[in-house]
Amino acid sequence: NAGVTQTPKFRVLKTGQSMTLLCAQDMNHEYMYWYRQDPGMGLRLIHYSVGEGTTAKGEVPDGYNVSRLKKQNFLLGLESAAPSQTSVYFCASSYGGTSYEQYFGPGTRLTVT
Amino acid sequence: GENVEQHPSTLSVQEGDSAVIKCTYSDSASNYFPWYKQELGKRPQLIIDIRSNVGEKKDQRIAVTLNKTAKHFSLHITETQPEDSAVYFCAAKGGNTPLVFGKGTRLSVIA
Repeated sequence: NAGVTQTPKFRVLKTGQSMTLLCAQDMNHEYMYWYRQDPGMGLRLIHYSVGEGTTAKGEVPDGYNVSRLKKQNFLLGLESAAPSQTSVYFCASSYGGTSYEQYFGPGTRLTVT
Repeated sequence: GENVEQHPSTLSVQEGDSAVIKCTYSDSASNYFPWYKQELGKRPQLIIDIRSNVGEKKDQRIAVTLNKTAKHFSLHITETQPEDSAVYFCAAKGGNTPLVFGKGTRLSVIA
């Protein structure tokens, strides 16, 4: 039981490049989330999904897209990376319903130069 | 939408002393209040949570209190140890809205 995993762990991009971050969970959770963490800013929600095939915007969605084609996977895409997207990205999942506890992945450190 | 304020942003205590971190929230419909601990370079992990129908919850050295009228909740850590040093995040969630996190408190326990 791996829990929540994220790929890759580290990545350096040049401005304008694109990339996809993969989040996978093996806990049969309905809900999945993407956060970014910047110093002094806490965890800010980018996008989330309440089930396979659904996505919704969070607090800071601009510049990101997501897809949830399979229940166990949640992809975060950056179409044209900007230095402002340099951050640590965390994926999380939760069972759903009235079970709110979120389980986090190990994070992806992204640097955009 | 929900807004969560967390204080203080940094906190230093002597080993064995108590630490208290406070959060306020804005949405009176919020009904779930978790606390997460994040050690350096690691992922956030849930340490304790409380729902709006409960005023206080304890788990060994940690406790959370909730005042729904004043819309604030607090984390209390007693007999602090060096391994309690970390960043702590509070959060609030109401109904069908996602969890909203505070900006975090960096706790340092000095041996």
